[in-house]
Amino acid sequence: EVQLVETGGGLIQPGGSLRLSCAASGFTVSSNYMSWVRQAPGKGLEWVSVIYSGGSTYYADSVKGRFTISRDNSKNTLYLQMNSLRAEDTAVYYCARAMDHEGAFDIWGQGTMVTVSS
Amino acid sequence: SSELTQDPAVSVALGQTVRITCQGDSLRSYYASWYQQKPGQAPVLVIYGKNNRPSGIPDRFSGSSSGNTASLTITGAQAEDEADYYCNSRDSSGNHHVVFGGGTKLTVL
Repeated sequence: EVQLVETGGGLIQPGGSLRLSCAASGFTVSSNYMSWVRQAPGKGLEWVSVIYSGGSTYYADSVKGRFTISRDNSKNTLYLQMNSLRAEDTAVYYCARAMDHEGAFDIWGQGTMVTVSS
Repeated sequence: SSELTQDPAVSVALGQTVRITCQGDSLRSYYASWYQQKPGQAPVLVIYGKNNRPSGIPDRFSGSSSGNTASLTITGAQAEDEADYYCNSRDSSGNHHVVFGGGTKLTVL
């Protein structure tokens, strides 16, 4: 079965760090465009970052310089390292597979909640 | 960077047809994709490309595009179609970003 499972969310103080993981099954992470998308409580979807199959990475302006997307091919797992967290980073974080270069995400994880609060 | 604009809310009578629109400059270069999201659940892709439905998506869902506007049409809306709908596309600024619309809350009356 093709699926994505995110872990690593939780409550973290402002300025802290957290690493999210997204374990894939049924397909190979390194052969696909993989993204993180977040959704603040009661708000819409916001694209966060992408890693291409070739390894290039790109970030939304709101997280650039603070977040790092990466993958472990041996574990077939995607990561999002989040540093210098702010209250406005509070959201459900989804990992998603892009099926084409136009941004169509066909497989989504169930999401993991990150709450940044003191 | 690009932006995509959606109406915040739309309603439709049970069994009728509804169109949800998405406007933005990036849609002149890239197709929109459409997602359905129900409360507490992850988004589900319902339309991608010119007018393609992933396996398992009912054929009452269809997509179209003209100029800077993409549309999602539900022909014969069902109660289970009540949800939030989001469009997205690649950003046309050349920055490799992806943009999402603000979402449309669909109410089936």
